Amino acid sequence: QVQLVQSGAEVKKPGASVKVSCKASGYTFTDYYIHWVRQAPGQGLEWMGWINPTSGHTNYAQYFQGRVTMTRDTSLTTAYMDLSRLRSDDSALYYCARDLRNFGPFAQGHWGQGTLVTVSS
Amino acid sequence: EIVMTQSPATLSMSPGERATLSCRASQSVVSNLAWYQQKPGQAPRLLIYGASTRATGIPARFSGSGSGTEFTLTISSLQSEDFAVYYCQQYNKWLPFTFGPGTKVDIK
Repeated sequence: QVQLVQSGAEVKKPGASVKVSCKASGYTFTDYYIHWVRQAPGQGLEWMGWINPTSGHTNYAQYFQGRVTMTRDTSLTTAYMDLSRLRSDDSALYYCARDLRNFGPFAQGHWGQGTLVTVSS
Repeated sequence: EIVMTQSPATLSMSPGERATLSCRASQSVVSNLAWYQQKPGQAPRLLIYGASTRATGIPARFSGSGSGTEFTLTISSLQSEDFAVYYCQQYNKWLPFTFGPGTKVDIK
C-alpha cells in the first residue's frame, strides 16, 4: 500500500532553514509527482509546490519563490522540502502528498502524516 | 495565480440534511478541480477530482459538479462523520495549484 512517512517535528529560530523529508513506499516513486502543503494552526491549507520525481522539475507557489527548494533522491525514494529564512508565521504542519494519478501533476490522493515546524526565538 | 473562493465559510446543518458547498475560481480551470475533506487532527482526504469523479471509497452521497469557474460539492444526506472542513483546489496542470479557504460544516 502507498505510504508517505515524514520526518519528525522541528523547532527552529527565525532566519534559520528547515528540511523536511518524505519517505515513499508501496509504489514506483518516479511515476507520481509529490506535493508539499502546509497548514498553520487553525488555518486552511496552503499549497507550496510540486516536484516531478523523474526529472526533478519543480513548480512553486509564488509566495514561496526564492525561499523553498524541493528535491528528491530516487535511490532512497524520498522527497525533501527545504524552507529558508524562516519567520514565526512559517510555524505550521507541513504535509507531503502524492498525486492520485501517475504522470501528473494532479490532485493529491495520498498524504503523509505531517511534520510540525515551530519557529520561535 | 488563480484565486479560489468558497462559500459559505460555515454551514450549520443537521444530520440527514442536504449540504451544498460552493467554490469559485478567478479564471477558468476547466474541470481541474478537486474537493478534500479534513477532520481535526487528520490529513486531508481527497473526495472528488475532475470536478465530479468520486475518489475510491468515497460514498455516493458526495457529488461534485461544475466546470470553468463555478463548482459545487453536494452532500445529499449528512451523516455524523461528514461534519468537517471542506476545501476545493484547482490543479490547472502547469500553473501553481491553489486551495480555497475552506467551508466548515458543523452541527446545528
